[in-house]
Amino acid sequence: EAGVAQSPRYKIIEKRQSVAFWCNPISGHATLYWYQQILGQGPKLLIQFQNNGVVDDSQLPKDRFSAERLKGVDSTLKIQPAKLEDSAVYLCASSSRQGRGDTQYFGPGTRLTVL
Amino acid sequence: SQKIEQNSEALNIQEGKTATLTCNYTNYSPAYLQWYRQDPGRGPVFLLLIRENEKEKRKERLKVTFDTTLKQSLFHITASQPADSATYLCVRLAGSSNTGKLIFGQGTTLQVKP
Repeated sequence: EAGVAQSPRYKIIEKRQSVAFWCNPISGHATLYWYQQILGQGPKLLIQFQNNGVVDDSQLPKDRFSAERLKGVDSTLKIQPAKLEDSAVYLCASSSRQGRGDTQYFGPGTRLTVL
Repeated sequence: SQKIEQNSEALNIQEGKTATLTCNYTNYSPAYLQWYRQDPGRGPVFLLLIRENEKEKRKERLKVTFDTTLKQSLFHITASQPADSATYLCVRLAGSSNTGKLIFGQGTTLQVKP
């Protein structure tokens, strides 16, 4: 079975520019997550989707970050405008169902550098 | 607030020895803890899950314990190999979350020398 796909793998932008990341979860997985991982830290959940609905976006900086999951499959995460502190790896994960104990499968991540 | 604390210092051990990583959590005990492995440039990979009513869980050379009195989990790798070198993340379920929201520790980097 194919894993979680993400693109691009790397992105370098200037501050105040915009950037978008794409994620394709494992086929059939209803739950999709976006995480931010700053160097030396563990992943932090930004937003969680169940099918195409948002379950949790409490830690998403909504003034500059947005995400959507049209048709309940692929998802995009956008940052507009980017700040220096947004430099991090953005990880997408999926699980077959939402709830306690379910394993999350992660993609390779997109490394964002904001100059 | 709910926190997961792992030793931020890297752990260096000799091949063949047992590696022991520590994870401490604050506030009430989560329903379960998970351990993930992360290699450079890759996403985390799930290893083990241990529930609060389980004292110990094993998988091949891996063993995890869960002590709700000490609010601590220990992760052991026996007969360690250089291929075990990676960052290991301890993860807890967030509070009373019924959405499966996870809180990750910062991870401990293990270096196994041949």
